[in-house]
Amino acid sequence: EAGVAQSPRYKIIEKRQSVAFWCNPISGHATLYWYQQILGQGPKLLIQFQNNGVVDDSQLPKDRFSAERLKGVDSTLKIQPAKLEDSAVYLCASSPGWLGTEAFFGQGTRLTVV
Amino acid sequence: RKEVEQDPGPFNVPEGATVAFNCTYSNSASQSFFWYRQDCRKEPKLLMSVYSSGNEDGRFTAQLNRASQYISLLIRDSKLSDSATYLCVGRPMDTGRRALTFGSGTRLQVQP
Repeated sequence: EAGVAQSPRYKIIEKRQSVAFWCNPISGHATLYWYQQILGQGPKLLIQFQNNGVVDDSQLPKDRFSAERLKGVDSTLKIQPAKLEDSAVYLCASSPGWLGTEAFFGQGTRLTVV
Repeated sequence: RKEVEQDPGPFNVPEGATVAFNCTYSNSASQSFFWYRQDCRKEPKLLMSVYSSGNEDGRFTAQLNRASQYISLLIRDSKLSDSATYLCVGRPMDTGRRALTFGSGTRLQVQP
């Protein structure tokens, strides 16, 4: 079974530029998450989708971050404009959506803002 | 206060040692708990779920104490391949917001 796919794997941009990340979850998984993991910390939830609807985006910095999951499958996360403190690994995860089921993570996109 | 707190370590132990990690949580709302393992520059992967009755998977034993709000992970007979960061994770059980809340992780280095 194919896992969660993310691209690109690495991205280096200058501050104030924009960047977009793409995620393709495991087929049939209704729930999709975007997490931000800063070096030395645990992943922090940015946004949770259930199908194509947002369940929780309370920790998403909405002045610069946006995310969408238009057809309830793939998702994109955008940062515009980027700041130095956005340097992190952005992890996408998916789960079938029912209680007690584990979340499966993609390999992540490592973003460096210089 | 963070919802899930862990000692960051690192824990440096020799092969064959027994090592235990603890994690405390602050949100008393009904949650389920997990231990995830994260290798260097890799994504987190589920190690095991944690139950109040305690559960064991080979050399790994997890325990949840709801009264004291802590979770533990015990690793017996440590192997070099156990070197990784262990993340304590909680998830609400009674709402639609079932996103995982991660601790900062405890780093384990098993030495020959």
